[in-house]
Amino acid sequence: LAKTTQPISMDSYEGQEVNITCSHNNIATNDYITWYQQFPSQGPRFIIQGYKTKVTNEVASLFIPADRKSSTLSLPRVSLSDTAVYYCLVGDTYNQGGKLIFGQGTELSVKP
Amino acid sequence: DVKVTQSSRYLVKRTGEKVFLECVQDMDHENMFWYRQDPGLGLRLIYFSYDVKMKEKGDIPEGYSVSREKKERFSLILESASTNQTSMYLCASSLRNSRGYTFGSGTRLTVV
Repeated sequence: LAKTTQPISMDSYEGQEVNITCSHNNIATNDYITWYQQFPSQGPRFIIQGYKTKVTNEVASLFIPADRKSSTLSLPRVSLSDTAVYYCLVGDTYNQGGKLIFGQGTELSVKP
Repeated sequence: DVKVTQSSRYLVKRTGEKVFLECVQDMDHENMFWYRQDPGLGLRLIYFSYDVKMKEKGDIPEGYSVSREKKERFSLILESASTNQTSMYLCASSLRNSRGYTFGSGTRLTVV
């Protein structure tokens, strides 16, 4: 399973765009990149997943360069309620029995 | 709305007790997982199961066992609770060929 590296913490202000970058230098051909969000005292919640280029949904965008050795989660116009821990995961759960390994995550703090 | 339900939000047990943490999902998912989450250590995989009566060790299985007698239910068992098992326990499930998890809200276990 590819190891990921992401910043431990980030600060932002309401209304700003936030970009969180994750490094995964030894990503394998079959690996997907998945991001989860976790609020205090709750389980992580799936945000977005991608394999290459760009993926966008109603919550976020995920940018993946051609070499796939990193990825960037982009949160447009954050609000106070986006304060959470964001996890980047890399793996091919289908071929690995469904197993995902979580890293330390990035603690995002959004200020008024 | 799909759900992963953990039987208790908060639990206090004594050292040496046998503890059962229950998790039920209503999504007909094949895969189920148990993680524990501790400050500074992130989420660590204890055990997972990809079918009824099947189980696989995760990264930290020592001191734990699991049971999956029915597809919808995955139980984590602490054979003899110890204070170092005080933690937040999170259950998750996924479809066999899916790369996204659904998590429960967690059980905060305190062993005194």
